[in-house]
Amino acid sequence: KAGVTQTPRYLIKTRGQQVTLSCSPISGHRSVSWYQQTPGQGLQFLFEYFSETQRNKGNFPGRFSGRQFSNSRSEMNVSTLELGDSALYLCASRLTGGFSYNEQFFGPGTRLTVL
Amino acid sequence: DQQVKQNSPSLSVQEGRISILNCDYTNSMFDYFLWYKKYPAEGPTFLISISSIKDKNEDGRFTVFLNKSAKHLSLHIVPSQPGDSAVYFCAASVVQTGANNLFFGTGTRLTVIP
Repeated sequence: KAGVTQTPRYLIKTRGQQVTLSCSPISGHRSVSWYQQTPGQGLQFLFEYFSETQRNKGNFPGRFSGRQFSNSRSEMNVSTLELGDSALYLCASRLTGGFSYNEQFFGPGTRLTVL
Repeated sequence: DQQVKQNSPSLSVQEGRISILNCDYTNSMFDYFLWYKKYPAEGPTFLISISSIKDKNEDGRFTVFLNKSAKHLSLHIVPSQPGDSAVYFCAASVVQTGANNLFFGTGTRLTVIP
């Protein structure tokens, strides 16, 4: 079974631009979460999508947005990029939502550099 | 506000000895705890987890201990092997709300010396 895939793996943008990152979850997984990893803050939760609906959101500004398609693939968008947005963006998929824990499987990440 | 903390950024251990990685948390609502291992240029890989109703969970060389009164979590690796060298993240979640998102610590880099 293929794992979580993220494209592109590396991206360089300049301040003020916008960027779209893509994530394909493991087949059959309906939940996709996004995390930002920076050296200073570690891994921080951005948002989670389940059945095309955002069901949970972390403490990030509105410049960070996402969506999920009917095939569970997800995209996240960052508008008006700032230098501080340089980070590794990780996507994680899991089978479903709900009130029991089910393991999240992470993709390799997209390394975004903002110049 | 860092709700999950790993105060040791790095740890070096001789091969064959025990590695003990520590983690503290502040949110008493956390009811599920996990350890992830991460290699450079890869996403975190799940290692072991524990529910808040337990105080110990064991899987082969890996054991996780939970002390709820102290809000403290630890991972023991016995015996340590060079292949265990990686960055280890502890994470916590509030499953009972259905949220399931993970709060991560900042990681501990473990180096196992052959």
